[in-house]
Amino acid sequence: GAGVSQSPSNKVTEKGKDVELRCDPISGHTALYWYRQSLGQGLEFLIYFQGNSAPDKSGLPSDRFSAERTGGSVSTLTIQRTQQEDSAVYLCASSWARGTDTQYFGPGTRLTVL
Amino acid sequence: QQQVKQSPQSLIVQKGGIPIINCAYENTAFDYFPWYQQFPGKGPALLIAIRPDVSEKKEGRFTISFNKSAKQFSLHIMDSQPGDSATYFCAARRGGADGLTFGKGTHLIIQP
Repeated sequence: GAGVSQSPSNKVTEKGKDVELRCDPISGHTALYWYRQSLGQGLEFLIYFQGNSAPDKSGLPSDRFSAERTGGSVSTLTIQRTQQEDSAVYLCASSWARGTDTQYFGPGTRLTVL
Repeated sequence: QQQVKQSPQSLIVQKGGIPIINCAYENTAFDYFPWYQQFPGKGPALLIAIRPDVSEKKEGRFTISFNKSAKQFSLHIMDSQPGDSATYFCAARRGGADGLTFGKGTHLIIQP
């Protein structure tokens, strides 16, 4: 079956603009995760969804970052007033349910803030 | 602070050799330790994982060794091939938590 998909694959934006990144998890997966991968920081956990609720937002780096999930499926990560330090690859992963081990990653969205 | 420390940053091994990548952790609440493999332009993919109640796990050419007392675990790749050239990440997850804590990655090159 189809894996986790993310769009766009690349996004270039100007400092101060808002961006939306989309994730389509594997069908039937109830758990969804967002991570950020950057050269200096490696892979960082941002936020986790179980269904449409986000019990763990501990990794969001600032209040400019928010995420939502609708219908227990598609998720959108929004970054407001982007800064150059937001440039990174944003990865989405999904798993069957909370507590299940294997997280399946999408290919990521490469965000460049000029 | 970095909760999972991974070494080396980069590693070059001849084909057929056995690259070894090491990780160390501090948080004894971690109870799940996966290794992920990532090729350029792709997302990480789960390679093999272990829980602290076993000291070793093998899947094909990949082996995890786990030392609970030392809070260390390592990945060994037997009979390495050029196709194994990738970036490898160790990770850990705290019991009851959801997000993975990753090491900073090892860029592995297997020379033909």
